[in-house]
Order: sequence, then C-alpha cells, then structure tokens
Amino acid sequence: GAGVSQSPRYKVAKRGQDVALRCDPISGHVSLFWYQQALGQGPEFLTYFQNEAQLDKSGLPSDRFFAERPEGSVSTLKIQRTQQEDSAVYLCASSLAGDEQYFGPGTRLTVT
Amino acid sequence: AQSVTQLGSHVSVSEGALVLLRCNYSSSVPPYLFWYVQYPNQGLQLLLKYTSAATLVKGINGFEAEFKKSETSFHLTKPSAHMSDAAEYFCAVSGSGDYQLIWGAGTKLIIKP
Repeated sequence: GAGVSQSPRYKVAKRGQDVALRCDPISGHVSLFWYQQALGQGPEFLTYFQNEAQLDKSGLPSDRFFAERPEGSVSTLKIQRTQQEDSAVYLCASSLAGDEQYFGPGTRLTVT
Repeated sequence: AQSVTQLGSHVSVSEGALVLLRCNYSSSVPPYLFWYVQYPNQGLQLLLKYTSAATLVKGINGFEAEFKKSETSFHLTKPSAHMSDAAEYFCAVSGSGDYQLIWGAGTKLIIKP
C-alpha cells in the first residue's frame, strides 16, 4: 500500500521567506509526527498529532514554526521568516498504534 | 532525560564479515528500543524493535539485536555483511507508552568489497 509521502522533496528558500511542507500519512494512521534532521545528526522531535489534535509541540524550536492537521489526515509544517539554521531535512512519520512509526522520504530545506 | 549513544559515526567492514553497530541508552523507565535504517534519499525504515518480550530480537534483512539491561545496550548485529547493507543506521528509544522517540546520531555502515 501507499506509504507516507512528503512534498516538496527539495525546497530552497531565501532567508526571510515563509515555507510550507506537506505530509500525507498512511491512510487510517491516527498519530503523526514531525522531526527535524540536521546534517550528520539523528532526527529531533518537533511535534505530535493524534488525529487533528496537536498533543505535543514541545520540540518546535521557535514561534516561527507551527504545524497543523485540520482534518486529522494531511499535515502541514510551516516555517515563517526562514533562517539559515532552519536548513535541515524535515521528516514526517505516522503510526497506527503509537509504537512503530512509518517515515516519509523527507523534505530537504535549504535556506540561502 | 533519556538519551541514546551510538559509538562510531562510521563503521567499515568487509563483505561477508560480521556487522556490529553499538547502541547504549539511558532511560529511567523500561524502554522500547528501535533500530532504523536510512538509505540515501529514502525515508527511515524500521529494522527491528524491542518491546519487553524476548531480549534477542530478529529483524529484517538478517539483522538482530540483543537487549542487555545490565549494560543498557541494544547492539545491532548481522553475521555476514552484504554490499546492500551499506546505509546509515539509527538507534532510538522511547519510554513505555511514550510516543516520543529519542535518537542516536547514527552510524554509517560502509561495506568493503
């Protein structure tokens, strides 16, 4: 079946621009996660949804980052006024039962 | 706070040799432990997971890992490396019932012909 998909796969933004990254989870998966993966590092947790409810946003690095999942399926991670330190791969994962997470291919964001 | 340490950012083995990737964790509660593999330009794929059943866990592609509570370790092994195993491997931990995964920095496995 279809896995987790993310778009765009690559995004180049000029410093100060706003970006929106999309995640389509596996159909029926209740939980959705966003991670940030800097070059040479493991993923770092950003935020977690259960259906449409954002239950944890403790990992969002600043108030320029916010995420939404209005209908409990597709999610969007938005970064306002991008900075160079935002350059990373943004990973989305979904899960049915809350333990095994299935990951998308990621969006590589480069801020110039 | 929970943390995960992967010893060695790069591990190089010859094709056919034993693969050993090390992972140590710190956790105040019995953890769930995971190994994921990441091929270039692909998403993370679950190799295996420990959820407090058998301490020796078998995963896909011939990999296995052993949970050793006394050593707080969850090392990943494969008896005979194949060229297709070249990838980056990540160890992760979550507390029981905790959805957050805490990740190691990853180990890049290099297979020499």
